[in-house]
Amino acid sequence: QQQVKQSPQSLIVQKGGISIINCAYENTAFDYFPWYQQFPGKGPALLIAIRPDVSEKKEGRFTISFNKSAKQFSLHIMDSQPGDSATYFCAASMTSGTYKYIFGTGTRLKVLA
Amino acid sequence: DVKVTQSSRYLVKRTGEKVFLECVQDMDHENMFWYRQDPGLGLRLIYFSYDVKMKEKGDIPEGYSVSREKKERFSLILESASTNQTSMYLCASSLYSGQVGAFFGQGTRLTVV
Repeated sequence: QQQVKQSPQSLIVQKGGISIINCAYENTAFDYFPWYQQFPGKGPALLIAIRPDVSEKKEGRFTISFNKSAKQFSLHIMDSQPGDSATYFCAASMTSGTYKYIFGTGTRLKVLA
Repeated sequence: DVKVTQSSRYLVKRTGEKVFLECVQDMDHENMFWYRQDPGLGLRLIYFSYDVKMKEKGDIPEGYSVSREKKERFSLILESASTNQTSMYLCASSLYSGQVGAFFGQGTRLTVV
């Protein structure tokens, strides 16, 4: 029940295309869902996050879509650029209790120039 | 900017050695975490701490211990390093509420030979 399942494992997108990464969770107590971006040799960096009281959050070219009933959320990268090539992790946490973050297994995105 | 600093970028240790990984954060965060990152497995939680001298086991605590004597510092200890502990180790910190996301250090690439 603590798992967060992420797909796909890897993704290749043409420059200007839309990159879509999906995550699913089981524990309905999760109420905070961040996405992290990690470049080679660096630690993950917080990219965007959403709470389940909204169905969508947009920051620039990055959008999280959230489907509470399906227990799924996804990251959309519009107008993907070569600089977006990185590994992306979804995560989930509970804002009551011990606040630890459960991470997905990651998606390696490559955007072709 | 939040800064989470890990004491070493790269470490090479021998099997059986006691290994200390140090992490310091400068944002007065209550929570601190140690994760291990392996290809295809994502980030797995080893231990976390929500207060000085307080700690809780994560998903893979075996072979590890932690110490938090001061709020800003969280140490991961490998009691007797083994080759299967060769990995990237990531430290993170967050506010107590768990709603703001975790901030990561740059990682320590540990090789046990």
